[in-house]
Amino acid sequence: QQQVKQSPQSLIVQKGGISIINCAYENTAFDYFPWYQQFPGKGPALLIAIRPDVSEKKEGRFTISFNKSAKQFSLHIMDSQPGDSATYFCAAVSTGTASKLTFGTGTRLQVTL
Amino acid sequence: EADIYQTPRYLVIGTGKKITLECSQTMGHDKMYWYQQDPGMELHLIHYSYGVNSTEKGDLSSESTVSRIRTEHFPLTLESARPSHTSQYLCASSDRNLLNTEAFFGQGTRLTVV
Repeated sequence: QQQVKQSPQSLIVQKGGISIINCAYENTAFDYFPWYQQFPGKGPALLIAIRPDVSEKKEGRFTISFNKSAKQFSLHIMDSQPGDSATYFCAAVSTGTASKLTFGTGTRLQVTL
Repeated sequence: EADIYQTPRYLVIGTGKKITLECSQTMGHDKMYWYQQDPGMELHLIHYSYGVNSTEKGDLSSESTVSRIRTEHFPLTLESARPSHTSQYLCASSDRNLLNTEAFFGQGTRLTVV
C-alpha cells in the first residue's frame, strides 16, 4: 500500500522550462512534507520542505505548493537547468511515527538543452 | 557535505555468504536508518534505531539484522545472502525528530548476489 503517491515516474523538460512533480497522501497524521533530490551514485539530500499550515514555500527556483484539503502537494522547478537532472522524491513524516520518512515512488527528471 | 559513510560502495558476493554493510556517521546523531532502494528507485525503510541498544524493524520486511552498540556505527548484516537481496542499501541519520530536521544519507552500497 503506497502511502505517498508520486507522479509522473519520469519527466523530460527543456532548459528554461517548468518542471512539475505531484504527490498525494491519505494519512492525515502526516505533518511534515520534505522533498529529497538524488543524483546518480549519491544518496538523497533534502531539497525543500513544508508544513501543512502553509500553502506555499519558495526557495530560489524551487517551490512547494500544498493543498491540505485535497491532501496533495507538488514541487515546481522554475527555469529548469540541466544540473537539475536527478531523481526527486516527495516524502512525509507523521506525528505518530516521527522518526520515519515515508517516500513517494520517485520521479526521474531530465532537463535537455 | 554530510559526514555519513558507507562501505563498501559496491559488493558482488556469492549466494550463501555472510555479509556486513558498514555505516558510520561523525555527526553524533542519535537516530539512524537503513533504506533499501529498488532498481526502480523506490526507497523502503528496513531498519531504524533511536540510539545505542535500540533497533526497530521498518516498513519493509527484511532478512537482514542490525546492531547499534555505538552511537556512530549502525552495521547491517545478512547471514546468508541470496540473489533476492540484490539491491542498493542506503544508510541515513538525523539529530532529532524528523518533523523538524533532515535525514542525511550516505552514498549507498550496491549489493549484487550471484
